[in-house]
Amino acid sequence: GQNIDQPTEMTATEGAIVQINCTYQTSGFNGLFWYQQHAGEAPTFLSYNVLDGLEEKGRFSSFLSRSKGYSYLLLKELQMKDSASYLCAVSQVTDKLIFGTGTRLQVFP
Amino acid sequence: DTEVTQTPKHLVMGMTNKKSLKCEQHMGHRAMYWYKQKAKKPPELMFVYSYEKLSINESVPSRFSPECPNSSLLNLHLHALQPEDSALYLCASSQPGQGLTEAFFGQGTRLTVV
Repeated sequence: GQNIDQPTEMTATEGAIVQINCTYQTSGFNGLFWYQQHAGEAPTFLSYNVLDGLEEKGRFSSFLSRSKGYSYLLLKELQMKDSASYLCAVSQVTDKLIFGTGTRLQVFP
Repeated sequence: DTEVTQTPKHLVMGMTNKKSLKCEQHMGHRAMYWYKQKAKKPPELMFVYSYEKLSINESVPSRFSPECPNSSLLNLHLHALQPEDSALYLCASSQPGQGLTEAFFGQGTRLTVV
C-alpha cells in the first residue's frame, strides 16, 4: 500500500514564503509531482522530482529526499491567485500516479 | 497541443440510465487514466490503460466500465450508478514506462446522479 500525507490547510500573507510538506511511504517509487488545483478546476502541473535535491521554477521550488520519503513545495512572493489546493502525487513504476491528501492554501492580503 | 479534452463537461443522470464519459488526447501519450474526485478531496485513481491495455483497476465497482478504443481515446461507460457516485471525473494522460515526466489532466466531467 501507500501513504501520502500533507497538512490539510495552511494560511499565509501576500508576499510571504510558504512551504508545503509531503511525506510518503510507497513501493516502486518513480518520482514525485506537485499539482495546483483551483476549486472546480482540473489539477495543473507545477513540478516533478525523481532525484534528490531542489528543482526551481520561477516562484515555485520543489525538494525531494528519497531516503526520508519527504518532499516540499516552496512558494515565494505569494500572490492572492496562489490560493488553491496543492496536491503531492507519487508515481510508481507500475505507472500508477497516486495523490496525497492535498493542502488547501489561503493567501490573505 | 498539450490538451486533454473531456466531454461532456456536466452530466446529470438517473440511477437507471446508461451514459458514457469521453476523453481524447493527441500528444502521443500511451498511458491514460481515470480519476474520481469528491469535493475537497484529492483525486482517487480508478483505472490505468497502458498501450491501450487495462493495466490497473483499483477495485472499482463494475457499474463503471472503461474502454480504450485507440491510443487517443478513453471512455468510461456508466450504468446503474448510485447518488454517491456523483463527483468530478478526471481523465489524464502521460508517457508510460520510464517514469512519468508529467501527467496532463482534462478539465473533468462533473457528474450528478439523481
